[in-house]
Amino acid sequence: EAGVAQSPRYKIIEKRQSVAFWCNPISGHATLYWYQQILGQGPKLLIQFQNNGVVDDSQLPKDRFSAERLKGVDSTLKIQPAKLEDSAVYLCASSFKGFIHSYNEQFFGPGTRLTVL
Amino acid sequence: TQLLEQSPQFLSIQEGENLTVYCNSSSVFSSLQWYRQEPGEGPVLLVTVVTGGEVKKLKRLTFQFGDARKDSSLHITAAQTGDTGLYLCAGASGKLIFGSGTRLLVRP
Repeated sequence: EAGVAQSPRYKIIEKRQSVAFWCNPISGHATLYWYQQILGQGPKLLIQFQNNGVVDDSQLPKDRFSAERLKGVDSTLKIQPAKLEDSAVYLCASSFKGFIHSYNEQFFGPGTRLTVL
Repeated sequence: TQLLEQSPQFLSIQEGENLTVYCNSSSVFSSLQWYRQEPGEGPVLLVTVVTGGEVKKLKRLTFQFGDARKDSSLHITAAQTGDTGLYLCAGASGKLIFGSGTRLLVRP
């Protein structure tokens, strides 16, 4: 079974530029998550989709970050404009069901490492 | 704000030694998960503990959930170089709240 795919794996941009990340979850997984992992910290949830609807985006900096999952399958996360503090690894994860009973395993992709200069 | 504190932040040991890492919070979680993350990869789930006081074993790894479901520990017996990585605990409370991790280096 193919895992969660992410691209690009690495991206270097200058501050105030825009960047987009792509994620293709495991086939059949209804729930998709985007996390931000700053160096030396654990992942922080940015947004959670159930099919193509947003379940939780409470920690997404909406003035500069946006995400979509139009057809309920793959997803894109965009940053516009980027700031220095956005340098981090952006992880995409998927699970078969939503995180209702806390038992569901999330499968993570390899992440995109973003460096903002 | 729910926070999970992990200790130690960094641990360097010799192959064959035992170690314990801790995950503590002032909040109650419905379950707690432990992940291992290697450089350039996403976290991989090791175990989920659900019941207060629960103990789960995964080969040389023993996981325990505190009675009050606020804390957890991971004990590794006879560490191997392949155990090297970042160990993350994550509490479930509607969503996953991750700790900052314990970076383990097992030297040959």
